[in-house]
Amino acid sequence: KAGVTQTPRYLIKTRGQQVTLSCSPISGHRSVSWYQQTPGQGLQFLFEYFSETQRNKGNFPGRFSGRQFSNSRSEMNVSTLELGDSALYLCASSLAPSGATDTQYFGPGTRLTVL
Amino acid sequence: TQLLEQSPQFLSIQEGENLTVYCNSSSVFSSLQWYRQEPGEGPVLLVTVVTGGEVKKLKRLTFQFGDARKDSSLHITAAQPGDTGLYLCAGENSGYALNFGKGTSLLVTP
Repeated sequence: KAGVTQTPRYLIKTRGQQVTLSCSPISGHRSVSWYQQTPGQGLQFLFEYFSETQRNKGNFPGRFSGRQFSNSRSEMNVSTLELGDSALYLCASSLAPSGATDTQYFGPGTRLTVL
Repeated sequence: TQLLEQSPQFLSIQEGENLTVYCNSSSVFSSLQWYRQEPGEGPVLLVTVVTGGEVKKLKRLTFQFGDARKDSSLHITAAQPGDTGLYLCAGENSGYALNFGKGTSLLVTP
């Protein structure tokens, strides 16, 4: 069965622009979580969606937003990009929401570079 | 705030050596997970430990959860080049998102 897919895999933007990243979870999975990974801060949680509802949100500014569609696909949007937003953005899917000791399966990530 | 501290940050060893990486926290977690991430890929779950004092083995990898459920260790016996990667621990509290450590980057040379 196909794994988690993320598009695009690589993206270059300039400061002030906005960007939308997409994540398609494993078929049947209804929970999607987003993480930002940087060398300095490691993996940091952005938000989690389950059945189109945001369940948890990390400590990121309002420029970071997300949504989930009825087919469980998810998008995250970053507006007014800053240099510090350069990172690997990872999406993970699972059958159940966090706290259910369910395995999260990660996608390969989208590498965002902000110039 | 990084709740989980991993050590060492970097480790470079030769094939056949043994190693241990640590994951420590001042917080109690309901479960703790270990992942391995290879370049260009997302993290892959290796194991989940739930009970304080629990020990799990996965071939040459041994995982231990501390009695107080605040810390964990990963021991690799006779490391191989295929073990190279970034090892991440992540703590979970019921209903909340995973908290990841910054990881231990392991390089095993032939």
